[in-house]
Amino acid sequence: GIQVEQSPPDLILQEGANSTLRCNFSDSVNNLQWFHQNPWGQLINLFYIPSGTKQNGRLSATTVATERYSLLYISSSQTTDSGVYFCAVGSNSGYALNFGKGTSLLVTP
Amino acid sequence: ETGVTQSPTHLIKTRGQQVTLRCSSQSGHNTVSWYQQALGQGPQFIFQYYREEENGRGNFPPRFSGLQFPNYSSELNVNALELDDSALYLCASSWGLAGLTDTQYFGPGTRLTVL
Repeated sequence: GIQVEQSPPDLILQEGANSTLRCNFSDSVNNLQWFHQNPWGQLINLFYIPSGTKQNGRLSATTVATERYSLLYISSSQTTDSGVYFCAVGSNSGYALNFGKGTSLLVTP
Repeated sequence: ETGVTQSPTHLIKTRGQQVTLRCSSQSGHNTVSWYQQALGQGPQFIFQYYREEENGRGNFPPRFSGLQFPNYSSELNVNALELDDSALYLCASSWGLAGLTDTQYFGPGTRLTVL
């Protein structure tokens, strides 16, 4: 299956700081999503972004499919941004999303 | 529009027992996928049900089985529980195959502990 690597594994920020999370994947994909998992385990879809750039408030994402990576930008971070961010990709088989191991983000006041 | 719900929220079982987890998909969705998330790891795909038939399976043994009902709700059954089955089990619903759709909606999960 497609391998998904995320970096960094852990990140601690002070409130107001900006950050960039990276996702590398090993093969061409037709589906790439970013999720945020809150401390209670709920996964929330942030972006569907197999290619190009999208923005939603303080969050934005860019996927360069030809180079097999995606970036998630968090600006002016808030304590509520804490949690684990996952990148997940889907192959042409369409069977499933393959998740990375995530980036654990802690935003301190 | 109701979201994805799962029951129970927590469950404790002993080795060798059997367990059934339940998922109600979001209204209008015809696909349900199940994932296992061990502590500190990303979710791992177990299998997917599309219009009541298994349509894709991850690297899980046959003691993991499932069903999807005509109303598109779903069950995950695990037989002969092992300690390594302790995990958060997530259900996700979508319109169309999970790997192709632009959005999957996840339930809150069932945390299973095997003693």
